[in-house]
Amino acid sequence: GENVEQHPSTLSVQEGDSAVIKCTYSDSASNYFPWYKQELGKGPQLIIDIRSNVGEKKDQRIAVTLNKTAKHFSLHITETQPEDSAVYFCAASIRYSSASKIIFGSGTRLSIRP
Amino acid sequence: NAGVTQTPKFRVLKTGQSMTLLCAQDMNHEYMYWYRQDPGMGLRLIHYSVGEGTTAKGEVPDGYNVSRLKKQNFLLGLESAAPSQTSVYFCASSYPQGRWVLLKDNEQFFGPGTRLTVL
Repeated sequence: GENVEQHPSTLSVQEGDSAVIKCTYSDSASNYFPWYKQELGKGPQLIIDIRSNVGEKKDQRIAVTLNKTAKHFSLHITETQPEDSAVYFCAASIRYSSASKIIFGSGTRLSIRP
Repeated sequence: NAGVTQTPKFRVLKTGQSMTLLCAQDMNHEYMYWYRQDPGMGLRLIHYSVGEGTTAKGEVPDGYNVSRLKKQNFLLGLESAAPSQTSVYFCASSYPQGRWVLLKDNEQFFGPGTRLTVL
């Protein structure tokens, strides 16, 4: 069945350094790849997304890349700040005519060291 | 707008007890979802609804029932709680397919979660 694998499960980086989280997906029909950030005690919140017709997307310090051939996509956070500490989830979604099916990765706990 | 709200925030049940989790959204979203979140397993879809009066099974539906009698509410029921249902439950909602041409038409808006412990 469909599967999304996410690595690493935990990541600790020095404040100001970059953080990279990688995901792979199994269903080649997936066409939408959102990234969610979950802060402690809160629900996940969308931070950036990318569609299958785009290879890269950037929003300030956050960027996402997609390699459809390899079925890989990655989240890049540059100049990390303490408020970036959270759990990040990748997901892959397949859009059908009446509904979309979304599969989440297992999450990455990112810690920013001061 | 309050967005997506969930009640209760916390609950402790004994094995065999029943309860209902309530999700409400004020964004006029057509789609609503119930997920459970367990350590190391991410978010897994329990049930979802594509409109008032409709429900469908997700990835892990066993032991749960849902109802969508009103567009703004999505209820998750546990008829006979089991310790394996100890988890954090998240409700989410989203726009329908095709209504929004660009950008956020697949974005799911999540509630703050309900932490359920079954003893």
